[in-house]
Amino acid sequence: EPEVTQTPSHQVTQMGQEVILRCVPISNHLYFYWYRQILGQKVEFLVSFYNNEISEKSEIFDDQFSVERPDGSNFTLKIRSTKLEDSAMYFCASSALPYEQYFGPGTRLTVT
Amino acid sequence: GQQLNQSPQSMFIQEGEDVSMNCTSSSIFNTWLWYKQDPGEGPVLLIALYKAGELTSNGRLTAQFGITRKDSFLNISASIPSDVGIYFCAGQIPGTYKYIFGTGTRLKVLA
Repeated sequence: EPEVTQTPSHQVTQMGQEVILRCVPISNHLYFYWYRQILGQKVEFLVSFYNNEISEKSEIFDDQFSVERPDGSNFTLKIRSTKLEDSAMYFCASSALPYEQYFGPGTRLTVT
Repeated sequence: GQQLNQSPQSMFIQEGEDVSMNCTSSSIFNTWLWYKQDPGEGPVLLIALYKAGELTSNGRLTAQFGITRKDSFLNISASIPSDVGIYFCAGQIPGTYKYIFGTGTRLKVLA
């Protein structure tokens, strides 16, 4: 069964550094999303992406964040200058239509 | 902004019992999704609901889209130990691709 994959599974970075989180969505899906989940809390929407552009973003998704689909398979989330409060699990999700979203296993980002 | 409140926050049940949890909001949503999340893993989609009043089953799971579009419930029948985890509802904000997740219900099953 096709699934969303994410790399790395765990990323440790120093405050102020740039990180890129990578995702490979399910191959025939057209809608892509990033979410984050701070430990023990609910899943929070960051951004949705369709037709090579951002379709929705939350207030969390400020100028420090960007997304890109650099080729036909990858979908990336970049954080330009990480802060301590960016420490969280980051989940990529994809869907064929903007309804049933399938999540990847997540990347645990630790900012020190 | 929109918020989804799930209840109960957590529950302990005996294996074999039925479980019911719900998700409520003061806002309406177009689509409801129910997910299960195990520790350290991503949410796994259980059921999707598209129309007010819709009742959908997936094995031992049954979910309904509330008639007011402001709530949804999930039932699990004859619970088993592997049902342990956190269950999240997610609602699609009308006119957007954005989903809001609920606060989660943590289920613990006693064998």
